[in-house]
Amino acid sequence: EDQVTQSPEALRLQEGESSSLNCSYTVSGLRGLFWYRQDPGKGPEFLFTLYSAGEEKEKERLKATLTKKESFLHITAPKPEDSATYLCGASGGSYIPTFGRGTSLIVHP
Amino acid sequence: SQTIHQWPATLVQPVGSPLSLECTVEGTSNPNLYWYRQAAGRGLQLLFYSVGIGQISSEVPQNLSASRPQDRQFILSSKKLLLSDSGFYLCAWSVPQGLSEKLFFGSGTQLSVL
Repeated sequence: EDQVTQSPEALRLQEGESSSLNCSYTVSGLRGLFWYRQDPGKGPEFLFTLYSAGEEKEKERLKATLTKKESFLHITAPKPEDSATYLCGASGGSYIPTFGRGTSLIVHP
Repeated sequence: SQTIHQWPATLVQPVGSPLSLECTVEGTSNPNLYWYRQAAGRGLQLLFYSVGIGQISSEVPQNLSASRPQDRQFILSSKKLLLSDSGFYLCAWSVPQGLSEKLFFGSGTQLSVL
């Protein structure tokens, strides 16, 4: 059974304080690792797809990396508008992603 | 460009009442369609997915059902709601690419069963 575990559950940062979110996955034959951003009361917004270990993708202050067992979402010099829940999902043989519970990020000004 | 519409945004229903949530996708043909539920503090739970009209796969046995009467329309229903049906319901779509399913989500429906 595919499993995705995200840590920490919640993270509070000061504006400008860089950090990383972790996503550990157990998937048979990884086909894709996904990161989404979700604002309160809204649907998840797609950020990145990573396909193979060693791959990296960047968008503004966010950088996603992938190893054979986990993915990291690095947030560099975050701003209050980066506050959101970040979801990680991984797809294997079934193609459909299994999602973690998310990391709730709050960035204080 | 593709867009997904989901309604209503908020719904309060008494226990035992029926449910109908609707989702439509524009700008694409023959998408894969999905219904997820997100309970407070929980991850996204896949409820149903569909690869074509009239083709529905259920992931979790429950008192919910789904239908796909048209190519880009997906409906989530219940005959009698339970308290445990409360949650945030999300519709999503994807275009099968043979590699992995990149999902695009709707804005969600917050359902409260009282």
